[in-house]
Amino acid sequence: SAVISQKPSRDICQRGTSLTIQCQVDSQVTMMFWYRQQPGQSLTLIATANQGSEATYESGFVIDKFPISRPNLTFSTLTVSNMSPEDSSIYLCSVEGKGYLSYGYTFGSGTRLTVV
Amino acid sequence: AQKITQTQPGMFVQEKEAVTLDCTYDTSDQSYGLFWYKQPSSGEMIFLIYQGSYDEQNATEGRYSLNFQKARKSANLVISASQLGDSAMYFCAMRIYGNNRLAFGKGNQVVVIP
Repeated sequence: SAVISQKPSRDICQRGTSLTIQCQVDSQVTMMFWYRQQPGQSLTLIATANQGSEATYESGFVIDKFPISRPNLTFSTLTVSNMSPEDSSIYLCSVEGKGYLSYGYTFGSGTRLTVV
Repeated sequence: AQKITQTQPGMFVQEKEAVTLDCTYDTSDQSYGLFWYKQPSSGEMIFLIYQGSYDEQNATEGRYSLNFQKARKSANLVISASQLGDSAMYFCAMRIYGNNRLAFGKGNQVVVIP
């Protein structure tokens, strides 16, 4: 399965600032997925990032708040913009496993964000 | 839209005993995959086991097995011989054929006690 390096692992940020999270995959993948996990909650998909096209956002998430870049098939960034304490969450990137519908999705180690 | 339900409260399990985590799902699709993930306190998501909707046998991976009852739309995870390192949140997830999104349940908290 793919190996994902996600940075930073955690950060404490001031409200009103922005944070960019990076995910680097050790192999080329078509789609990368960004999730948010609010404290004590399950994972919610923010958007799907394809190389060469704009990301597809899920309901409740907008590009101005969560801009995503996908410059090549191994890398993506998610920016959390104009942060407020409500953005305090774990953010995870993910890619599909090898073999259609099988072998699970691989996740990055997560970015634990605290906004103060 | 698919829906995953995990309703058990937090569970305490004696070391070396087995534990079953319940997961029910709702979909009208015939082709789908079911997944279980483990999330320790560090926050990473660790893939445990997969069951395809057309798989006739229950999936097993080491100490993990999936009790798949398609007619009841349940996909319970069984962890045998619990270890202290099994203490974590466990999430059930589903993907529909042709749709690359994973839908997650709310998770089950498991604490293994010595």
